[in-house]
Amino acid sequence: ETGVTQTPRHLVMGMTNKKSLKCEQHLGHNAMYWYKQSAKKPLELMFVYSLEERVENNSVPSRFSPECPNSSHLFLHLHTLQPEDSALYLCASSLGTSGAETQYFGPGTRLLVL
Amino acid sequence: AQTVTQSQPEMSVQEAETVTLSCTYDTSESDYYLFWYKQPPSRQMILVIRQEAYKQQNATENRFSVNFQKAAKSFSLKISDSQLGDAAMYFCAYRSEAGYALNFGKGTSLLVTP
Repeated sequence: ETGVTQTPRHLVMGMTNKKSLKCEQHLGHNAMYWYKQSAKKPLELMFVYSLEERVENNSVPSRFSPECPNSSHLFLHLHTLQPEDSALYLCASSLGTSGAETQYFGPGTRLLVL
Repeated sequence: AQTVTQSQPEMSVQEAETVTLSCTYDTSESDYYLFWYKQPPSRQMILVIRQEAYKQQNATENRFSVNFQKAAKSFSLKISDSQLGDAAMYFCAYRSEAGYALNFGKGTSLLVTP
């Protein structure tokens, strides 16, 4: 499945670093999502973009900053993270944002914060 | 908020046999969508099957089928003729008609033995 790609696949960063996660979808979709998958916890929705406009922000700390320059690309900018932010970050896309639309996921970025 | 419960943290099945994974959910809505996703060790979240709540007929995709009991709020996944490649974490997910988020359960780890 190469419809949604994410880079890097693995990232190690210190608490004072600034890094960015990148997601790209090749499916012609208009909606993109960031999810966080922590050990022993269900996936949590972080952000939703529809036609490059942010439509959902689930009480995510400001140290996570999303950016959607166009409908094919989504970024997650990271700064001054905490060790508890270590997790798998999954990007997804869907044709639209209605409940009927299936979300397709990328392979994720495994983040470790030291 | 909708909750999704997967009561089986781990399941095991022999190759060529059939296994059923359980999922229950809690909602007061009448229009929603249910999904089963598979996450192999590669961490890619792959859609297995989906079910629209308004459809009485159970969805089927090759060796994968669901038993959707709307009144009981139950959505189990049956895997027939299990193959070694079916080994993965399986997540049940709920999405309302209006909401953006996929609400995931905690997952069931499926082991397939030769």
